[in-house]
Amino acid sequence: AQSVTQPDIHITVSEGASLELRCNYSYGATPYLFWYVQSPGQGLQLLLKYFSGDTLVQGIKGFEAEFKRSQSSFNLRKPSVHWSDAAEYFCAVDNSGGSNYKLTFGKGTLLTVNP
Amino acid sequence: DAGVIQSPRHEVTEMGQEVTLRCKPISGHNSLFWYRQTMMRGLELLIYFNNNVPIDDSGMPEDRFSAKMPNASFSTLKIQPSEPRDSAVYFCASSPRTGTLDTQYFGPGTRLTVL
Repeated sequence: AQSVTQPDIHITVSEGASLELRCNYSYGATPYLFWYVQSPGQGLQLLLKYFSGDTLVQGIKGFEAEFKRSQSSFNLRKPSVHWSDAAEYFCAVDNSGGSNYKLTFGKGTLLTVNP
Repeated sequence: DAGVIQSPRHEVTEMGQEVTLRCKPISGHNSLFWYRQTMMRGLELLIYFNNNVPIDDSGMPEDRFSAKMPNASFSTLKIQPSEPRDSAVYFCASSPRTGTLDTQYFGPGTRLTVL
């Protein structure tokens, strides 16, 4: 089975600073990869997804992620963080062999934004 | 669209009681997912329905858990009898299943506390 690792449990950045959240996966073939965001008391919202093509994926809210097969990584980036970006971020991989229903999530990275 | 609707938002019960969580997926979506989120285990898929039929229930922890989807607009997750270790946030998500990489849309979750 595929797995997802988010090495950073908690990250703190200043508003306006750049952000990179790390995600590593384990899978033999090309994975289907996702980033979700969870605001306090809310469900998860999809930021972006990747399954083929351009390895740099643009998402909502100014986020992007880059798929690097050689590093088994799918890191999430944002050039300038806003206070409203404070939330928990989850990387996920499709673990259903391409049937795209069984998401395996990382443990999440909690982002704190300082004013 | 109202999004995925879950009820109740919070549930506090005593060990041994029956608990029923409810979900209304987004109209027109034909896939439905139940997830459980805990600090220790993160987000886990419990069961997946497609066109009201359970496709994968391998994530259901034990026989105390059961899920039904009697029609396209309603699903329940039942725990009987409940135990303190069932305390978690339970999310329902739905997906349109229109293509290879369908987005799962999450509800706000039900926070269950079993005393």
